[in-house]
Amino acid sequence: AQTVTQSQPEMSVQEAETVTLSCTYDTSESDYYLFWYKQPPSRQMILVIRQEAYKQQNATENRFSVNFQKAAKSFSLKISDSQLGDAAMYFCAYTEMGGSQGNLIFGKGTKLSVKP
Amino acid sequence: EAGVAQSPRYKIIEKRQSVAFWCNPISGHATLYWYQQILGQGPKLLIQFQNNGVVDDSQLPKDRFSAERLKGVDSTLKIQPAKLEDSAVYLCASSLERRFNEQFFGPGTRLTVL
Repeated sequence: AQTVTQSQPEMSVQEAETVTLSCTYDTSESDYYLFWYKQPPSRQMILVIRQEAYKQQNATENRFSVNFQKAAKSFSLKISDSQLGDAAMYFCAYTEMGGSQGNLIFGKGTKLSVKP
Repeated sequence: EAGVAQSPRYKIIEKRQSVAFWCNPISGHATLYWYQQILGQGPKLLIQFQNNGVVDDSQLPKDRFSAERLKGVDSTLKIQPAKLEDSAVYLCASSLERRFNEQFFGPGTRLTVL
C-alpha cells in the first residue's frame, strides 16, 4: 500500500527567509501525482503545488517550489521569502494515475510557524 | 464561483447517537469525496462518488457509516451509532471529474463524540 511520510511535525522560519519541508513516499507505481496542500488554522485546505511523476522538471508556483527526486521517492517543498500568511499545516499527498485516481493519500502534516 | 459548502460546522453528540453531515459541491463538479481527519493526522478518504455512483468506499466503516449523493449533486454522510473514536473533522471535497483534477475542499464539520 502506498504511504506518505512527513518526518517534521513542526518547523519554524523567520519572515522573509526560506524553509524546506520534507516528504517521502512509498509506491510501486511509476505514474502518479504528488501534491502539497496548505491548511490554515480553522480554514479550508487549498492546493499549493502539484507534480506529475512523469515530468522531470520540478514544479514552481511563485514563491513555492518542489524538489522531486523520483528514484529516492522524495518530494520536498521550498517556500522562499516566507510571509506571515504562510503559517499553516502543510500536507504532502499522493494519488495514482490509474484506477485509484482521486484517492488522495496524505502524510501527517508539518506545522509551519512564521516569526516576524 | 462559490466554494464547497458544508454544514453544520460543529457538532457535539453523545456516543451511540446518530449524526448527519451535508455537503454541497462546486457547481458542475462530477466527483465528490468525503475525508475523515483525526486530530494530528492527515485526511483519510472515506468514500468517493462519481456523479451519484460510488466508485470507492473501501475505507468506509459500513457497519456504522453511510453516505449518499442524490441526483449527483448534494451529499450526506451519516454515522449511526457514533463511537468516541469518530471524533474528527469530516471534510468534503469536489473535483471536475475523477481523472485527476484539483480537489477543492470545504471548511469541514468538526464532530465531538462524548
